[in-house]
Amino acid sequence: DGGITQSPKYLFRKEGQNVTLSCEQNLNHDAMYWYRQDPGQGLRLIYYSQIVNDFQKGDIAEGYSVSREKKESFPLTVTSAQKNPTAFYLCASSTGQSHTEAFFGQGTRLTVV
Amino acid sequence: GDSVTQMEGPVTLSEEAFLTINCTYTATGYPSLFWYVQYPGEGLQLLLKATKADDKGSNKGFEATYRKETTSFHLEKGSVQVSDSAVYFCALTSQGAQKLVFGQGTRLTINP
Repeated sequence: DGGITQSPKYLFRKEGQNVTLSCEQNLNHDAMYWYRQDPGQGLRLIYYSQIVNDFQKGDIAEGYSVSREKKESFPLTVTSAQKNPTAFYLCASSTGQSHTEAFFGQGTRLTVV
Repeated sequence: GDSVTQMEGPVTLSEEAFLTINCTYTATGYPSLFWYVQYPGEGLQLLLKATKADDKGSNKGFEATYRKETTSFHLEKGSVQVSDSAVYFCALTSQGAQKLVFGQGTRLTINP
C-alpha cells in the first residue's frame, strides 16, 4: 500500500538529548513537510522540502534540523536547543503541484522528561 | 501573510443534529481550500477540497462551498453520527505555494 510511515509512534527522551524522527513515503511525491501539533492548537510548519537535497525553514524551525538525501525520506532531528520539544509531530507529503492536497503520516508523539 | 480562522470549539452536538463549522481565510490570489479530519492519536486525513470559487467539495455526507466573496469555506453535514467525533481542520494553499496553512482546529463531539 502506498503511504507515509512515521516511526516510532511514541518516543521518550531525556532532556538535553538529540532525537531523530523518521518519515518515509512511497507515493513518489516531490514535496515533504514536518508539522508540530500541541494540545488544542493547530499545526505549525517546522521545515519543508520541495526537492531532494533542498529544504526550507518553516515558521518554527529553531531547535530542529532536517535532511533530504533521498526522495522517499525526510528525517527530523529535534536538538537539545529546542526549548519545549514535547509535542505530536506530523510528517506529510504532496506532489508539490499547485492545488494539490498533502497526505499525512500517523504521527510521532515525543515526550521529553 | 496567508491565514485561516476557524470557529472556536469545542462543539458538542447530539446524534442526527445539523453541523456547521465556520472557516474564513485571508490569502492572495486564488487559493485552494481543504478540510482535514483527525481522529484521536492519528494523523490528518483529507475530508474534502475545492480549488476554485463556487466549487463544492463533498465526502461522507460533509459539504463545503468555496465562497470567494465572503472568503469562507464552511463545513456542513445534515445529520451527524457519533463516529464523526474528531478534530476538524480548515486549510489552504495559496496560488503558486506548496505548503498548507492550517486553522487552529475545531474539536467536535457527538453524543448518542
